[in-house]
Amino acid sequence: EAGVAQSPRYKIIEKRQSVAFWCNPISGHATLYWYQQILGQGPKLLIQFQNNGVVDDSQLPKDRFSAERLKGVDSTLKIQPAKLEDSAVYLCASSLAGDAGGAYGYTFGSGTRLTVV
Amino acid sequence: AQTVTQSQPEMSVQEAETVTLSCTYDTSENNYYLFWYKQPPSRQMILVIRQEAYKQQNATENRFSVNFQKAAKSFSLKISDSQLGDTAMYFCALPANTDKLIFGTGTRLQVFP
Repeated sequence: EAGVAQSPRYKIIEKRQSVAFWCNPISGHATLYWYQQILGQGPKLLIQFQNNGVVDDSQLPKDRFSAERLKGVDSTLKIQPAKLEDSAVYLCASSLAGDAGGAYGYTFGSGTRLTVV
Repeated sequence: AQTVTQSQPEMSVQEAETVTLSCTYDTSENNYYLFWYKQPPSRQMILVIRQEAYKQQNATENRFSVNFQKAAKSFSLKISDSQLGDTAMYFCALPANTDKLIFGTGTRLQVFP
């Protein structure tokens, strides 16, 4: 079974520029998550999708971050304009429908390391 | 609100020895799962072990086992016969409402030859 695919692996941008990250979850996984992991901290949820609908985006800075999941499969997370404090690893994860709290947990991608200079 | 606390920022252990990583948590739920994830330098979070709260028996996966104390809300990870490949960040995690995971701040484990 293929894992969760993410791209790019690394990205360096200047502050106030825009950037986009892409995620392809495991086939059949209805739930997709974007997490932000700042250096030295545990991951924190930015947004959660169930199919192509948003379940939780309470921690997403909506003035600069946006995300979409077209057709309930791939997802894109965008930052515009970026700030220095957005430097972090952005992890995508997927699970069977709402099963992160159950038997299977999540499957994570390898993340995108964003550096804002 | 659910919280997860890992009080050991860094730990080290010699190869073949045993090490225990600590985790405490808070939740108002009665039935839930707890997870330990490993994050090597490749950055991918890998599920190490899970524990179902309604099961009294501690979970075991090969060299990894947990000490789950529900009343004390404690969930420690024991790694036996440590290997160099165990070097990584380890995160304790608890599902919150809507199934998002709440992570601790992590413990950096270094295994020395």
